[in-house]
Amino acid sequence: KNEVEQSPQNLTAQEGEFITINCSYSVGISALHWLQQHPGGGIVSLFMLSSGKKKHGRLIATINIQEKHSSLHITASHPRDSAVYICAVGYAGGTSYGKLTFGQGTILTVHP
Amino acid sequence: KAGVTQTPRYLIKTRGQQVTLSCSPISGHRSVSWYQQTPGQGLQFLFEYFSETQRNKGNFPGRFSGRQFSNSRSEMNVSTLELGDSALYLCASSLGYSSTDTQYFGPGTRLTVL
Repeated sequence: KNEVEQSPQNLTAQEGEFITINCSYSVGISALHWLQQHPGGGIVSLFMLSSGKKKHGRLIATINIQEKHSSLHITASHPRDSAVYICAVGYAGGTSYGKLTFGQGTILTVHP
Repeated sequence: KAGVTQTPRYLIKTRGQQVTLSCSPISGHRSVSWYQQTPGQGLQFLFEYFSETQRNKGNFPGRFSGRQFSNSRSEMNVSTLELGDSALYLCASSLGYSSTDTQYFGPGTRLTVL
């Protein structure tokens, strides 16, 4: 069974700060997803990556397959970045074929 | 393209009843996955359908079931509702398999069991 651990669970920042959220998993995966959930429930997929690094605007996601670790970075944070960020891992084979396993989420609050 | 739609958005049921939730994926997407989100357990995988076939199912009792139609629309059913089934139920669609492809989430159905 794969465990997905995120840290920190809660994060408070001032506008403009650089933010890092971490995600570790215990079993080899095929892909890792970063999701964003705003109050009210809507979930948006930010990144899906299986190696290396991806960048979209102020967001950067990296993954280290050997260390089973991924990070989500937000540069020049803004109050509108306040949300829950969720890491999820997916498998392309084995008994977990087709499943996503989720971390517990990181609650980010950015103050102006 | 229209996004993923879920109906109904809110639902109130009593214990013992059954409920059916509906999900319409983005046009052209063949995979639909269902998730349950609760404050205590977070997001949990329920099941995934791809081209009308269930690929896998999460650790939920047999009261939870689903199906996918030939137009990729999907339904999930919960029978004999329990208080603990109160949750936000989310569906997501993707072009390929959900575990390795970008997923697009619907707004969710908030189910309250009294």
